[in-house]
Amino acid sequence: DAGVTQSPTHLIKTRGQQVTLRCSPKSGHDTVSWYQQALGQGPQFIFQYYEEEERQRGNFPDRFSGHQFPNYSSELNVNALLLGDSALYLCASSLRQQETQYFGPGTRLLVL
Amino acid sequence: QKEVEQDPGPLSVPEGAIVSLNCTYSNSAFQYFMWYRQYSRKGPELLMYTYSSGNKEDGRFTAQVDKSSKYISLFIRDSQPSDSATYLCAMSVAAGTALIFGKGTTLSVSS
Repeated sequence: DAGVTQSPTHLIKTRGQQVTLRCSPKSGHDTVSWYQQALGQGPQFIFQYYEEEERQRGNFPDRFSGHQFPNYSSELNVNALLLGDSALYLCASSLRQQETQYFGPGTRLLVL
Repeated sequence: QKEVEQDPGPLSVPEGAIVSLNCTYSNSAFQYFMWYRQYSRKGPELLMYTYSSGNKEDGRFTAQVDKSSKYISLFIRDSQPSDSATYLCAMSVAAGTALIFGKGTTLSVSS
C-alpha cells in the first residue's frame, strides 16, 4: 500500500520565479492538505482540497494556490517566490472528516 | 500568544529513561489531539491521536489530554536511541480539518 508521495524531493529556484509541487495521496484517501515547515518550526497549514475544491485556507497570501485532480492528486503553486518561501513543503492526505492525516516526505524548496 | 506552545528543548536522556513531552494551547475549541514524530529531513509520522480528554496507550507510548487545563502530554517508556527525533504536537477543531502544530521538541536518547 503506497503512502503519500511527493515530487520533486528538492528544488532550487530564484526570487520572482514560480514553482509547482506535486502530491499523490495514500491509496483510498480523498482529501489533501498542504503545510509549510520552516527550519526549526512546526508545520503551518496552507490549504486543504476535497472534491477538487479548496475547502479551508490558512493565513497564506494569494501567491499560494493549488489544485486537486479527479484522481485526488494535488498540486501546490507558488508565484513570485520570496527568500522567505524557502521551507519544507509537506502534503498530508486523509479521508474526508476522518481525524488522522498522513504526511508525505516533503519537498525541500530553496529560494536564492 | 501562539495557539500551541511547545518547549523546543533539546531534551537529552539516557537509554531506558521515561520521557515526558508536553504542549499547552489557548483555543478551547480544539477537540482532536495528535502526536507526530519527525526524523531529520523526513515528513512527520503519526504516533498517537486522542479525541477530547483522556488517556490512550500504544506500546511504550501514552498520550494524555487535559482539556480543563489545556495541556497535553506524551510519555515514552523505556526510551531507545531510535526514539531520537523531533516530536510535534498537533490539534484541530474538527475531524479532518487544519492541524495546528507546536514548534516541536527535539529528543536525543543516548545508549
